Amino acid sequence: DPKIIQKPKYLVAVTGSEKILICEQYLGHNAMYWYRQSAKKPLEFMFSYSYQKLMDNQTASSRFQPQSSKKNHLDLQITALKPDDSATYFCASSQDPGFTEVFFGKGTRLTVV
Amino acid sequence: TQTVSQSDAHVTVFEGDSVELRCNYSYGGSIYLSWYIQHHGHGLQFLLKYYSGNPVVQGVNGFEAEFSKSDSSFHLRKASVHWSDSAVYFCAVSAAGANTGKLTFGHGTILRVHP
Repeated sequence: DPKIIQKPKYLVAVTGSEKILICEQYLGHNAMYWYRQSAKKPLEFMFSYSYQKLMDNQTASSRFQPQSSKKNHLDLQITALKPDDSATYFCASSQDPGFTEVFFGKGTRLTVV
Repeated sequence: TQTVSQSDAHVTVFEGDSVELRCNYSYGGSIYLSWYIQHHGHGLQFLLKYYSGNPVVQGVNGFEAEFSKSDSSFHLRKASVHWSDSAVYFCAVSAAGANTGKLTFGHGTILRVHP
């Protein structure tokens, strides 16, 4: 019974388009994150949110925008998609941002053609 | 800046063997060290963590890890592996403080256990 739900599981997008990756967590956690895993790089931190406020942003591009409409939601909007954006995007959460035990969703595999 | 190095990209053993997956890190401050496991097609699952105290920490499913400050290492071990332990194992570090959930991962070690 997954506690962190990511939708969709697979996503194919055309270069230049825009997509939104959905994430909801039902663990009652206060901190949420996005990580990216690609073939070329190790799993890398993108964003952290605490109580719906941005804590840290390690993405170089403004094309990646997290959106938190509710405490347990953290969607990721990606605009002007490029083939290099192809990766698996993992949503994660922890009880609080000071907790090192992080729970991960199953990921959304994005392919940009 | 934190860095994590997992020197073995692949490790292959037989069921019942012992295994050690290596992790070395660099960071100047106070850190948490942790290990995560990723089965094919799934997200990462937390195995164990170390911050202070006894340098040997126990995790789930018989895994343990040992911290060594002198070697800047946090190697993961299991005395007797099962085929279901086949997965990718990630070592991670995070700075102790307000944003400890921000993890820096190594490249991962693929563990293959033959029945």
